Amino acid sequence: EAQVTQNPRYLITVTGKKLTVTCSQNMNHEYMSWYRQDPGLGLRQIYYSMNVEVTDKGDVPEGYKVSRKEKRNFPLILESPSPNQTSLYFCASSFELAGGRPQFFGPGTRLTVL
Amino acid sequence: AQKVTQAQTEISVVEKEDVTLDCVYETRDTTYYLFWYKQPPSGELVFLIRRNSFDEQNEISGRYSWNFQKSTSSFNFTITASQVVDSAVYFCALSEAHAGKSTFGDGTTLTVKP
Repeated sequence: EAQVTQNPRYLITVTGKKLTVTCSQNMNHEYMSWYRQDPGLGLRQIYYSMNVEVTDKGDVPEGYKVSRKEKRNFPLILESPSPNQTSLYFCASSFELAGGRPQFFGPGTRLTVL
Repeated sequence: AQKVTQAQTEISVVEKEDVTLDCVYETRDTTYYLFWYKQPPSGELVFLIRRNSFDEQNEISGRYSWNFQKSTSSFNFTITASQVVDSAVYFCALSEAHAGKSTFGDGTTLTVKP
């Protein structure tokens, strides 16, 4: 089944404790991206990757890191999480967003930082 | 910079009513793509439709129709004879050709009452 998977789905952590949210897609998509969803603010793009080893900042990259060493994986790293990073996070992939292909989203990761 | 505005935060209708969700966008690019996504109460994000900037044909798919007007920078979504299952948050999104940034509106929460 074609899908985007994220792990964990739920995470409660404390301020300053490094964490990684994994994202994997099995559709051989070139493009991957991370978003956060907060009430009333829609989805805001954190980072995106148009291909392996190519990453770029979205609109809200502060406090996050990403890497794209393999085509299928695009982990999101919070080196020192803070309470304002409490949010619902979505990973997405697309065959080619720049060519107008739609994004397919993972199920979301709900993160709480205490 | 690109921007997407969904001015309607919440809409409530009674089943079988028609409803239109508004989307207005801003971009400096001449080639771009517009999307609508649906987020039902279960939380996943589902792609509905894509429109290219150079194709202003309106589209109808069952009870759904989309009206793209470049002159007013709008890409509105109409649901005819709404049903309770249409209750969801709907997002309009914009991406530019040859680029990886993706901008979403804040979403419109549609509630269809029986």
